Parts: sequence; C-alpha cells; structure tokens
Amino acid sequence: AQSVTQLDSHVSVSEGTPVLLRCNYSSSYSPSLFWYVQHPNKGLQLLLKYTSAATLVKGINGFEAEFKKSETSFHLTKPSAHMSDAAEYFCVVSGASGGSYIPTFGRGTSLIVHP
Amino acid sequence: EAQVTQNPRYLITVTGKKLTVTCSQNMNHEYMSWYRQDPGLGLRQIYYSMNVEVTDKGDVPEGYKVSRKEKRNFPLILESPSPNQTSLYFCASSLSQRNQPQHFGDGTRLSIL
Repeated sequence: AQSVTQLDSHVSVSEGTPVLLRCNYSSSYSPSLFWYVQHPNKGLQLLLKYTSAATLVKGINGFEAEFKKSETSFHLTKPSAHMSDAAEYFCVVSGASGGSYIPTFGRGTSLIVHP
Repeated sequence: EAQVTQNPRYLITVTGKKLTVTCSQNMNHEYMSWYRQDPGLGLRQIYYSMNVEVTDKGDVPEGYKVSRKEKRNFPLILESPSPNQTSLYFCASSLSQRNQPQHFGDGTRLSIL
C-alpha cells in the first residue's frame, strides 16, 4: 500500500521570500513522485517529477524538490515566491501494486502569497 | 496544441437523470483516467483505462461507468446520479500508466440536486 501526506493544508508567505511545501510518502516499492500545481478553475499542471534518477529535481517556474529516501520526504521549495505562485499544490506518489500503478494524491497545500 | 478536453465544464442536473461527461485527448496517449476532487480530500481516482477496450476500477468507482471504444475518448457515465456525486471531475491522460506524468483537462463541475 502507498500513501502520501502533505503536512500543511495552508502555507502563507510574503512575495520574495522562500517557499517550502512539505510532503512525506510511504510506498512498498521504489516509487515515482510528482508535484502538480492547480490554479483556480484549471486542471493540474506538472511541476516536476522524480523517477529514481538525480535526487534533486528541478521543475518549472523555479521550483525544485529533493527526494530523501531515509526521511521518506519529497519537499517542494522555491527560493523566492511570486504572486503568480498562489495556487493549490499536490504531491503524488505512484508505485507498482499488483501490476498496476495507481497514483495516490495528497490532500493538497494551498499557497498564499502576500504582497 | 496538446490538450485534454472535457465537456461540459459546468452542469447542474437532478437526481436520477443520466448524464455523460466527455473526455478527449489529442496526444495519442494509451492511458486515461477519471478523478473526482472534493474539498480536503485531494483527487481520488474513479476509473482508468490502459488502452482501448481495457478499463479498470480506481479507488471510488461506485455509481460510475466508463468506456474506451477509441483511443482518444474516455467518457464518464453517471447512470443514476445522486447528490453525493456533486463534485469537480478531472480527466487525465499519459503515455502509459507506469510512472508517467499525466495531462489534465480543465475540469467539469457537476451539481446533482
């Protein structure tokens, strides 16, 4: 069985300050991990993915995430928040289970960016 | 432009009246899936399809049907909708199921009265 926990339902930052969105996972197999962003009235858009290559993954819009197996974490960071980063963020784990790869989504973290 | 298209975007209907939400992708993807998104619960998978004529249940399939007669289309059918199916629905596709990122449609907001 696999699961994913996004540790904060809301994160509030000021524009220009760093962003940290936390994600812990559990999986019986070596999983793939993803971060998606959802802007209002839109579908989810892929930010970045980890698939057992480099542990530090760079994504779009200046985001990056580090896969830490010992901590079972995949936290999303950005050095400097922009107003346009305000959105809902989802961490997703996908690993083999009975021959299929059903993804499991976290409950989401709402990022609020203050001017 | 690569995209997943859902229709309708919004629908208000009544209990028991059959409805279909269409989903089409233009990327020649093998894998397609349907999710529902409810506040505080994230996305939960309803059904998925690994290829034409191959469909399987996700985490919350009760009350839904799907079909995959063509590679590009994956409609979601609610034979007898009930108020607990009021939700935001997303269709997604990817090259294959295995660890591929998914491309999402813009969502369909269903209200069942």
